[in-house]
Amino acid sequence: AQSVSQHNHHVILSEAASLELGCNYSYGGTVNLFWYVQYPGQHLQLLLKYFSGDPLVKGIKGFEAEFIKSKFSFNLRKPSVQWSDTAEYFCAVEDYKLSFGAGTTVTVRA
Amino acid sequence: DTGVSQDPRHKITKRGQNVTFRCDPISEHNRLYWYRQTLGQGPEFLTYFQNEAQLEKSRLLSDRFSAERPKGSFSTLEIQRTEQGDSAMYLCASSPRTSLEQYFGPGTRLTVT
Repeated sequence: AQSVSQHNHHVILSEAASLELGCNYSYGGTVNLFWYVQYPGQHLQLLLKYFSGDPLVKGIKGFEAEFIKSKFSFNLRKPSVQWSDTAEYFCAVEDYKLSFGAGTTVTVRA
Repeated sequence: DTGVSQDPRHKITKRGQNVTFRCDPISEHNRLYWYRQTLGQGPEFLTYFQNEAQLEKSRLLSDRFSAERPKGSFSTLEIQRTEQGDSAMYLCASSPRTSLEQYFGPGTRLTVT
């Protein structure tokens, strides 16, 4: 069975700071990877995805993620966060169903 | 809004009662998924339909849980003899034939008292 671990439970940072959220998965085969975001009071939304090709993928709202196969990692980054990035972020690996990490709550202070 | 919809959004029930939730996927999405999310955790897979066929059920889905998708469109998730441990957010997602992306609904928050 696949499993996903997210390194940080809660991250607090100021506007304009850079953000990096760690995600590691345990699965040796071909993987499809996702980051989902859940803004306060809203439902889960797809932030970005990796299926194959360029390991650096760009998503919505200035987010990007890098797939490093040798490290089984798919870390999420944003160079400069905004207050509106306050949300919960979930990494997931797909094998027809999604296996999610526990999530990281990101709080951006104005 | 043409997204995934779920009804009801909130349900409070007493232990031992039966509850049923409904999910309407995005039109023409042939795959439909149910997940459960508890506080501080990511969503956990419960079951999956391709058209009307239920293809997999998680071990999390005890005999008290049943899901249907009778005509390959909307789906229902029923919990019989609810227990306090069933309190959670129940999420539905759908996926089109041509993509692996799953689109989530707003969820049904169940509270068992």
